[in-house]
Amino acid sequence: DTAVSQTPKYLVTQMGNDKSIKCEQNLGHDTMYWYKQDSKKFLKIMFSYNNKELIINETVPNRFSPKSPDKAHLNLHINSLELGDSAVYFCASSQLPGTDTYEQYFGPGTRLTVT
Amino acid sequence: AQTVTQSQPEMSVQEAETVTLSCTYDTSESDYYLFWYKQPPSRQMILVIRQEAYKQQNATENRFSVNFQKAAKSFSLKISDSQLGDAAMYFCAYAHFGNEKLTFGTGTRLTIIP
Repeated sequence: DTAVSQTPKYLVTQMGNDKSIKCEQNLGHDTMYWYKQDSKKFLKIMFSYNNKELIINETVPNRFSPKSPDKAHLNLHINSLELGDSAVYFCASSQLPGTDTYEQYFGPGTRLTVT
Repeated sequence: AQTVTQSQPEMSVQEAETVTLSCTYDTSESDYYLFWYKQPPSRQMILVIRQEAYKQQNATENRFSVNFQKAAKSFSLKISDSQLGDAAMYFCAYAHFGNEKLTFGTGTRLTIIP
């Protein structure tokens, strides 16, 4: 059973295009996240949603717009793609911190290549 | 702002030997979690071990254990009896209660020498 899934796993597109990445979790978690991993493998939080509400937005350009239709889904839409957007994008989910078993479960990642 | 520092970009170890990966962090919070995540070439992020800051006892998971020094803000990972499947990028990460985001270090690439 896939806990956190992302589609697509690979995405190649040209500059200026608009693209979306979808994420779904079947763990019953309330909180979902988007992280970006750059070419040097550095991972950084982009957004966090709790029960469909945006709670973290880490100085991400307005071209990136997350959307959470329900608490099991968090999609990422990117407008006017730029070369610098090339990266691996990870979706993750968790319950809220405060338990002994707190952890974030990651999806398989989407490798976005902008040409 | 919280920061996480991994000072070893690359490490290597002979198969069956023990290796320690270093991590230091900076925070003014008292309640937080520390994690080690493993990222093999498949790029899947896999939780290796978790430590709650209020617990004095170091966490262990089979061949993996941590040395958590709260006063020194140090959180190192020890891998015993290294196996070829341990080859991966290892990321130290921090999250504090009430703020759900993970702050990651820059990672350590671990190579296992057969």
